[in-house]
This record gives sequence, structure tokens and C-alpha cells, in this order.
Amino acid sequence: QVQLQESGPGLVKPSDTLSLTCAVSGYPIRSSNWWGWIRQPPGKGLEWIGYIYYTGSNNYHPSLQSRVTVSVDASRNQFSLKLSSVTAVDTAVYYCARISNAGVLLDYWGHGTLVTVSS
Amino acid sequence: EIVMTQSPATLSVSPGERVTLSCRASQSLSSNLAWYQQKFGQAPRLLIYGVSTRATGIPARFSGSGSGTEFTLTISRLQSEDFAVYYCQQYNNWPGTFGQGTKVEIK
Repeated sequence: QVQLQESGPGLVKPSDTLSLTCAVSGYPIRSSNWWGWIRQPPGKGLEWIGYIYYTGSNNYHPSLQSRVTVSVDASRNQFSLKLSSVTAVDTAVYYCARISNAGVLLDYWGHGTLVTVSS
Repeated sequence: EIVMTQSPATLSVSPGERVTLSCRASQSLSSNLAWYQQKFGQAPRLLIYGVSTRATGIPARFSGSGSGTEFTLTISRLQSEDFAVYYCQQYNNWPGTFGQGTKVEIK
């Protein structure tokens, strides 16, 4: 059973860098699947952040591209997200997920972690 | 960026009723359309992909249809555990975009 678990600080100061890690269990990150990050501001809809392959190939949402870095550590079966220069609009629940082999859609999700940007 | 528009925003339904949710894309998607269910405080769950293929473990009362720019999710007989928010997502172009969601609530 594929399981994903996000971890990282729940509070980040404005202008700082948000850093989260997603630990994958029950499935090798070195597979044919890509791995992604999605966010959901409180009470709002879902937004893609970006995704990565175990080789390090990645793709980011154009609106976030200048601030986002997604990396992978295949030896630890985990991948990570860094979002720089955060503001209050970056406050959201951040989800990591596995991307389906059927396309860039998400078939297994972590539970999500709330990150609040506030001083 | 493709804009996804879902309707209605909220649907008040009684258990046992048939429910139809709509999703419209700003441009043609071929078959690259998925549906997710999100219950309060939980992560979304994949229901349907490729317009009409049910994901693993999804009950047969959930079905998807449509083509081009117009898509539908149907729940044949609503059960208590189906009250949730439903999102459509296009994955024809990057970035994949989601609709704003339809909330199915108890009437």
C-alpha cells in the first residue's frame, strides 16, 4: 500500500523559505511514477505546485517557477519542496502525492500539512 | 492555462437520490479529465480518470462521461459517505488545473 507523509514547520515567517519533505512508504520512489506537490488555501480549491521524477527531472507551475524547488532523495525514498520568499497568500494545506501512470493526475495522496505564513 | 468551471457550486440532495455534477473546460481536453472527492479535513481521493475509468476501489455507483469540453460525474444512488466536495481536474495541458469544486450536502 502506497503511503505518503508530509513533514515540516507549520509556521513560516514572511519572506522566509517554506520547506517540506514527503516520505514515501510501501512503494519505491525509483519507479515509473512521478511525484508531486499540490496546495489548498483554507476554504479554497486545489493548485498544482510541481512534480519530479526520481532522476531529478521536474516541472513547476509557471506562476511559482521562480520561487519553487522540488528535489528527490531516492536513497531515503522521499522528496522535498522549497518555496522561497513566502507571503500570506502562500498559507495553505500542502499535499504530496503520487502521479498516476495514466497522466499528470494524482492517485495516492498524503494527509496534508497546514503551513501558515505569519510573523 | 485551461480554466475549469464546475456547476452547481452546491447541491442539496437526499440519500438514495441520483446526482449529476458538471464540469466545463475552456478548451478541448480529449480524454484527459479526472474527478476527485474530498471530505472535510481529508486529502482528495481519485475517483475517475480518463473521463470514465474508475480508480482502484471506487464503487460502481460513481460514473463519468463527456467529451471535448463538457464532462459529467454521476452518482447513481447517493450514500451517506458520499457527502463531500467534488473536483474535476484537466491533465491535457500543464499546468493541470482544477475546477472550484461542487459541494454535495445533505438536504
